[in-house]
Amino acid sequence: GAVVSQHPSWVICKSGTSVKIECRSLDFQATTMFWYRQFPKQSLMLMATSNEGSKATYEQGVEKDKFLINHASLTLSTLTVTSAHPEDSSFYICSARDDRGDSPLHFGNGTRLTVT
Amino acid sequence: GDSVTQMEGPVTLSEEAFLTINCTYTATGYPSLFWYVQYPGEGLQLLLKATKADDKGSNKGFEATYRKETTSFHLEKGSVQVSDSAVYFCALKNSNSGYALNFGKGTSLLVTP
Repeated sequence: GAVVSQHPSWVICKSGTSVKIECRSLDFQATTMFWYRQFPKQSLMLMATSNEGSKATYEQGVEKDKFLINHASLTLSTLTVTSAHPEDSSFYICSARDDRGDSPLHFGNGTRLTVT
Repeated sequence: GDSVTQMEGPVTLSEEAFLTINCTYTATGYPSLFWYVQYPGEGLQLLLKATKADDKGSNKGFEATYRKETTSFHLEKGSVQVSDSAVYFCALKNSNSGYALNFGKGTSLLVTP
């Protein structure tokens, strides 16, 4: 079946550094991908909608300069957490919409980010 | 705005017990409703969905009926198995929000032998 690969699965970084998370659709094209953030015992919160070839659409309260999204191809979207701080520590999940039709969203396994 | 509320867990059941996880929603218009499941160490997987009122989604013995009058989409299974242990998320998709899903907080289910 359709698979979304998210990498890395976990990362530890120091405050002030930047971290890039990749989301790839492996057997389908995805013009639209979504980035979610999940806090412990909380829901998945939509951060932004990533659109191939155009700027991402950010949800209210999400800093676009903090969370840089690049959707350079139909199979790859990246989320870069810039100048990370401990409060950015969280679980980040991407999902991709198959361009071929009204199929359900496919999700990556998530990335656990810990900022020390 | 749109929102989803689901019962808090964790829920612990013995094998073969009956499962209900409540989910209610607030939305304008006519959203589609979903249940996703996340097994340990894996990504979210679609379990079932319903796109209009009175539709029943079913998969792997799980069922949920789209009740517009009560704005609910409760998940049920008649006899749970240990392998059903996972986190279950109720979600909705509204046409005015594009293709993004709006999730509930998730309910952790542990089934013991």
